[in-house]
Amino acid sequence: GAGVSQSPRYKVAKRGQDVALRCDPISGHVSLFWYQQALGQGPEFLTYFQNEAQLDKSGLPSDRFFAERPEGSVSTLKIQRTQQEDSAVYLCASSLGVLALTDTQYFGPGTRLTVL
Amino acid sequence: AQKITQTQPGMFVQEKEAVTLDCTYDTSDQSYGLFWYKQPSSGEMIFLIYQGSYDEQNATEGRYSLNFQKARKSANLVISASQLGDSAMYFCAIRSGGSNYKLTFGKGTLLTVNP
Repeated sequence: GAGVSQSPRYKVAKRGQDVALRCDPISGHVSLFWYQQALGQGPEFLTYFQNEAQLDKSGLPSDRFFAERPEGSVSTLKIQRTQQEDSAVYLCASSLGVLALTDTQYFGPGTRLTVL
Repeated sequence: AQKITQTQPGMFVQEKEAVTLDCTYDTSDQSYGLFWYKQPSSGEMIFLIYQGSYDEQNATEGRYSLNFQKARKSANLVISASQLGDSAMYFCAIRSGGSNYKLTFGKGTLLTVNP
């Protein structure tokens, strides 16, 4: 497929467990973003990669959240010692270019994380 | 800081009629871009339309058009000839020169198209 893909689509974790969420961006897209969407809210920015470089992680809510994109394509968002407040949909987006206002971000279907 | 306000939590429209979804924004940047996304129940955010702050004409994309009023800082989405498949959440977002990679979203409007 040509779009952004994410896996798993659904994840249930017990409080305290570690989880890893995967994002496959559109091939050739330089920029990759992670957003968190709480129930009934709009997505909120977590972090941004340009190729393999993580240029902005200001939106990560705590040091339990960690993201990587080691080869400049696939990215993984890891959450350690999950808490109930981490329950949300995690959206990944990619865009072709770098830092242009007109660059459209294309989103994946998201991973719905539920922490019990 | 940037902010998007969508004041309509929910909207209803009859099939084949037009509907306007409101969006106002706040930014101190002179250069910015405004985006509308559609999010059906499946969860994926689907890009609909883009308007740049320096674009003199309102953006159009098929049945979607953007009523851009820069002085009022509003960027309302107009959907013409509504279809049942248009039922979804609609989000307005801004991206500005000060932080020109991240999108800041509003809380969204849930549109329901009635047959």
